[in-house]
Amino acid sequence: QSALSQPPSVSGSPGQSVTISCTGTSSDVGNYDRVSWYQQPPGTVPKLMIYEVSNRPSGVPDRFSGSKSGNTASLTISGLQAEDEADYYCSSYTTSSTFVFGGGTKLTVL
Amino acid sequence: EVQLVESGGGLVQPGGSLRLSCAASGFTFSSYSMHWVRQAPGKGLEWVSYVGSGSGVIFYAGSVKGRFIISRDNAKNSLYLQMNSLRAEDTAVYYCGREVFYGGLDDWGQGTLVTVSS
Repeated sequence: QSALSQPPSVSGSPGQSVTISCTGTSSDVGNYDRVSWYQQPPGTVPKLMIYEVSNRPSGVPDRFSGSKSGNTASLTISGLQAEDEADYYCSSYTTSSTFVFGGGTKLTVL
Repeated sequence: EVQLVESGGGLVQPGGSLRLSCAASGFTFSSYSMHWVRQAPGKGLEWVSYVGSGSGVIFYAGSVKGRFIISRDNAKNSLYLQMNSLRAEDTAVYYCGREVFYGGLDDWGQGTLVTVSS
C-alpha cells in the first residue's frame, strides 16, 4: 500500500487560510469516509484534528475543517495562528483492510 | 484521564526480537480497538497494526506482516507488539493509539524507541 500523497510544505501568514491536500486512490480515500487528519508539532505526539473526513473531536477549534472530493481529501485551516505551525498527516482505511498515512505536510506560519 | 504508556523499546541486533507493551488506563480498554503506529527518526508516520476490541480482527501493514504479532490482554488493560526478524528499517518510535472514531486515533502514548543496529 503506497502512502497517500501530500505536499511536502505549505505556508501562510497569520489570519490567512491554507489548505492541505491528501490524494489517494479508489482503494482508500475514494472508497471510504474513514479519513483522518493529525497535527504534530516538533517533538510532540500526533493529535487527532479531523475524523471521518469532516468531523472535529471535542476541543479542536472550528478553524480546522475537512472535506473530500473523489480520491482527494483536504484539510483547511482558517484564521491561521502561530500555534498552528506543525506537521500534518492524513490517513485512510483501505480496501486491503489496512490503514495508510500520507507523507506529511510541514505548515509554516510566516 | 486516558493514559497510554509504551515500554519495551531498546537496542536490538538485526534479526533479533523485541516485545513492546502498552499499558492503558482511564477508560474501558476492552471496548476499544487499538493500533500501533511508528515513526522513523525525522520521517513521517507509518501505520503498523490494528487489533479489534475482542482480538477477533487483526490487520498488519505489508512491511511487517509475517514478522510482527499484535495481541492484547483485556484483563490486564494491555496491548502488545511482538517484533521478530527485526531489520534496520524497523528503527522508529513506536506509538500505541486508541481508536475512538472510525479510523481516528484520539489518544496516543508517548512512544518507545526501537533501534535495530549491530
